[in-house]
Amino acid sequence: GDSVTQMEGPVTLSEEAFLTINCTYTATGYPSLFWYVQYPGEGLQLLLKATKADDKGSNKGFEATYRKETTSFHLEKGSVQVSDSAVYFCALGGGSNYKLTFGKGTLLTVNP
Amino acid sequence: GAGVSQTPSNKVTEKGKYVELRCDPISGHTALYWYRQSLGQGPEFLIYFQGTGAADDSGLPNDRFFAVRPEGSVSTLKIQRTERGDSAVYLCASSTQAGGLNEQFFGPGTRLTVL
Repeated sequence: GDSVTQMEGPVTLSEEAFLTINCTYTATGYPSLFWYVQYPGEGLQLLLKATKADDKGSNKGFEATYRKETTSFHLEKGSVQVSDSAVYFCALGGGSNYKLTFGKGTLLTVNP
Repeated sequence: GAGVSQTPSNKVTEKGKYVELRCDPISGHTALYWYRQSLGQGPEFLIYFQGTGAADDSGLPNDRFFAVRPEGSVSTLKIQRTERGDSAVYLCASSTQAGGLNEQFFGPGTRLTVL
């Protein structure tokens, strides 16, 4: 079945540091890939998505590229802020697959 | 506009009791989903409704779990004879239609604790 593996946390960075959170997936067919974010005390929010190979999703300075050859969708940001502190979830779904399959989540803490 | 709302936000119950968790989706969204998030894990799919019917309930863990959406809007997740292992955050999401290109909007969740 479909599965998502993302880098274990927690990740602690200083403000303005570079962020990478690794995500790899196993799926049949051609899924869409997503990053969701959960800020403290809030619900899950879609951060960005990519629907086909080589697509780059971007939002709020975050980027991720759909790499079919490596089955990866790593999240990156060039300069993190304290307000980026949250739990980040990689997920796959798409097409006729309405279910989202999530990774375990990575807790990011950014210190001033 | 209003997002997905879930009530109650927290529910504490005793082992063996019955609980109902409510989800109000975004107005006009025909697809509704329930997920369960255990501590330290990502959300796991439980059931999906398209309109009033449960199109896929393959994620429900056993027959103690049941969900309804009688008028195609509000949904209720029902858990009978609760067990300590049912403790988790139950998330509801809705989208305009089913399918991966239609963003799922999540509610804040109901934290269920079974003592």
